[in-house]
Amino acid sequence: NAGVTQTPKFQVLKTGQSMTLQCAQDMNHNSMYWYRQDPGMGLRLIYYSASEGTTDKGEVPNGYNVSRLNKREFSLRLESAAPSQTSVYFCASSLSPPYEQYFGPGTRLTVT
Amino acid sequence: GNSVTQMEGPVTLSEEAFLTINCTYTATGYPSLFWYVQYPGEGLQLLLKATKADDKGSNKGFEATYRKETTSFHLEKGSVQVSDSAVYFCALKNNNDMRFGAGTRLTVKP
Repeated sequence: NAGVTQTPKFQVLKTGQSMTLQCAQDMNHNSMYWYRQDPGMGLRLIYYSASEGTTDKGEVPNGYNVSRLNKREFSLRLESAAPSQTSVYFCASSLSPPYEQYFGPGTRLTVT
Repeated sequence: GNSVTQMEGPVTLSEEAFLTINCTYTATGYPSLFWYVQYPGEGLQLLLKATKADDKGSNKGFEATYRKETTSFHLEKGSVQVSDSAVYFCALKNNNDMRFGAGTRLTVKP
């Protein structure tokens, strides 16, 4: 049972490049989330998907898009990366209603 | 809006010392409250939770009580161990809005 997996673990991009962060969970959870973690700011919610086929903006959605591909997978896309998007990105999943969230190991992204 | 404020770190303690990490929140309605722990290089793990006023969450010797009158959810442990060294996050969930505090780094020295 792998839980929540994320790929890649590390990525370096140049300003203006695009990339997609992948997330998958094998716990049959309804809800999935993308967060970014920055020093001194805790985690901030970028987007979430309460169920397959739905997505909603979180606290800091600008510059990102998401796709809930199926119940297992939830991807985060940066269309034109900026240095301000340098961060550690975490994917999480949970059952509904608001039960505990299970987190992936994170992706460390650097934009130069 | 919803927000969480937790005490700034870092916190350094000797083994077997008493730990308190303060957390206060702002929310409308009746949020659920959580403490998560993050070990180096890993994602967050749920440590404990409370879903209504006066509930006490507990796990691995850690405790926190949901105090609606003071809008607080302070984390305590009576005797910390070196293995408790980590970053601790207070969080609230109010409908689909999840908010985290900035995190408190705890270092326990032998």
